[in-house]
Amino acid sequence: EAEVAQSPRYKITEKSQAVAFWCDPISGHATLYWYRQILGQGPELLVQFQDESVVDDSQLPKDRFSAERLKGVDSTLKIQPAELGDSAMYLCASSLVSSGANVLTFGAGSRLTVL
Amino acid sequence: SQKIEQNSEALNIQEGKTATLTCNYTNYSPAYLQWYRQDPGRGPVFLLLIRENEKEKRKERLKVTFDTTLKQSLFHITASQPADSATYLCGGVRGSGNTGKLIFGQGTTLQVKP
Repeated sequence: EAEVAQSPRYKITEKSQAVAFWCDPISGHATLYWYRQILGQGPELLVQFQDESVVDDSQLPKDRFSAERLKGVDSTLKIQPAELGDSAMYLCASSLVSSGANVLTFGAGSRLTVL
Repeated sequence: SQKIEQNSEALNIQEGKTATLTCNYTNYSPAYLQWYRQDPGRGPVFLLLIRENEKEKRKERLKVTFDTTLKQSLFHITASQPADSATYLCGGVRGSGNTGKLIFGQGTTLQVKP
């Protein structure tokens, strides 16, 4: 079964350092999402791509976060500089619209700890 | 603001009973709702989707309802098993098609005791 690949699975960094996460969606999925999930809470959408274009980044803290999907396939989410409050699970998902609905397939996530 | 709300308190039930989880939406009308299962340290996994014009959907031991009057979805697991223990997330779409955005509630943790 096709999967969404994410790396690294775990990242520990000190505050003010830069960190990057990578996501490879399911082949053929045009829509790619980055969510942030703080422990005990639901996923919060950070950015949504349709092919290489950003559809929604209204919740992305643009002073320190950036995301790109240059060729409309894999994607990178960067944080610079990292802050203590950025400790969370970063989830990537992809989807294909079927019968007017987006069903998301999530990766295993990248767990970030900022010390 | 547009929200999806779930009961944040954990639900503890005995094996064999029916678990019922609640999802309420406020300040908007999602065209469809989705339910996902999330195990600790893992990404959510899709379970069921129900559209606003559908009252009920079933899949094996799972059943989901959509009440547009109450602005609520109920998710049922019948004949629950310890393996059903997980966090269940409700997501509602905002917008449509390729630009539809899925917003999630905070999730409800279900613990099924043998």
